Amino acid sequence: DSGVTQTPKHLITATGQRVTLRCSPRSGDLSVYWYQQSLDQGLQFLIQYYNGEERAKGNILERFSAQQFPDLHSELNLSSLELGDSALYFCASSFGTFNTEAFFGQGTRLTVV
Amino acid sequence: GQQLNQSPQSMFIQEGEDVSMNCTSSSIFNTWLWYKQEPGEGPVLLIALYKAGELTSNGRLTAQFGITRKDSFLNISASIPSDVGIYFCAGLGAGSYQLTFGKGTKLSVIP
Repeated sequence: DSGVTQTPKHLITATGQRVTLRCSPRSGDLSVYWYQQSLDQGLQFLIQYYNGEERAKGNILERFSAQQFPDLHSELNLSSLELGDSALYFCASSFGTFNTEAFFGQGTRLTVV
Repeated sequence: GQQLNQSPQSMFIQEGEDVSMNCTSSSIFNTWLWYKQEPGEGPVLLIALYKAGELTSNGRLTAQFGITRKDSFLNISASIPSDVGIYFCAGLGAGSYQLTFGKGTKLSVIP
């Protein structure tokens, strides 16, 4: 158990819908990172938050957004979903701002039908 | 953007054999990480490397940070069935907050 909790574990939704994925970081960790893992693209960095503020942005679509709350949990919002958004979404956390020893959650498997 | 080439893509080996996999980059990295992912789980950090030339072990696993800072190697000795999974390398460039991941090496161990 990495200590990073992601909910839900599985999500099936229709195209055009909006979903919210939730992540609770390890106790004491201030950074939260979101990654998308698909079969053809591998693990792609989406966005990082540190202590409530956006720190870095990767290949995140405009239809996607995230935030980190005062209690340090984070949510990833995916809207206007398309079939190609089906993937595993991972959250990772670390104490500092550099993702050198981040711990990953078990992921949320999103299926868009 | 930065890209990592990880090879081989997949390996089938006999239990007890040693395994080697590597990752190369066109740009310099200051940190190399190796992760293992099992089905239905997130990647788990195995070894972190912070200095060029560094050789670090974690049980039967040994990883090296290449002298050129553009490559890294992971060796697994005396493989066992529970070594099965996908092994990812990841690198962190200077001043970067983003890890760049390789596409993974899928390891299968035949008992």
